[in-house]
Amino acid sequence: KNQVEQSPQSLIILEGKNCTLQCNYTVSPFSNLRWYKQDTGRGPVSLTIMTFSENTKSNGRYTATLDADTKQSSLHITASQLSDSASYICVVSGPGNLIFGKGTKLSVKP
Amino acid sequence: DAGVTQSPTHLIKTRGQQVTLRCSPKSGHDTVSWYQQALGQGPQFIFQYYEEEERQRGNFPDRFSGHQFPNYSSELNVNALLLGDSALYLCASSWGTANTEAFFGQGTRLTVV
Repeated sequence: KNQVEQSPQSLIILEGKNCTLQCNYTVSPFSNLRWYKQDTGRGPVSLTIMTFSENTKSNGRYTATLDADTKQSSLHITASQLSDSASYICVVSGPGNLIFGKGTKLSVKP
Repeated sequence: DAGVTQSPTHLIKTRGQQVTLRCSPKSGHDTVSWYQQALGQGPQFIFQYYEEEERQRGNFPDRFSGHQFPNYSSELNVNALLLGDSALYLCASSWGTANTEAFFGQGTRLTVV
């Protein structure tokens, strides 16, 4: 079954600290992996998109990694800001459509 | 360049009623996909429209139907609403059906009472 699992479910960190979110997937065939940021009640906004041949991709303070052999990805957030508080969703492009993880809810506290 | 726009932003309906949600894709995009997102969950794929036809469908009953117009905009219709249909409905547009990057609208929050 095509699935995307994310961990942790939720995370609380202090402003300025770094954090890493994890994503494991069992989607096949695999086309690409995306990380989205979703503010509460809003649509997801794309952070990064990686094909199987890419190991890492950065977007400002966000850095995503991909290990296509182990089917794992991570999203590293550097020097967190209050505005980083949101859900971060890992999305894998599978056979014909996008398969979403349930997301990691990140809270950044002052 | 307008992004993906959805209307309305919020909607309250009574159980058993019918609802229509609307989506205008990002300029240059010809494919529209619809998702249902329950509170605290990731989005679930409903269906995808390309060239005015439903190309793929997720695990949703026939009460969920859609349409795509010649200008690529799309509608999602839900009949015989159930309390469990309460969710954020997201529209995503992309170019073609080959899993190119998708851009999401802000969503329509549907509440069924």
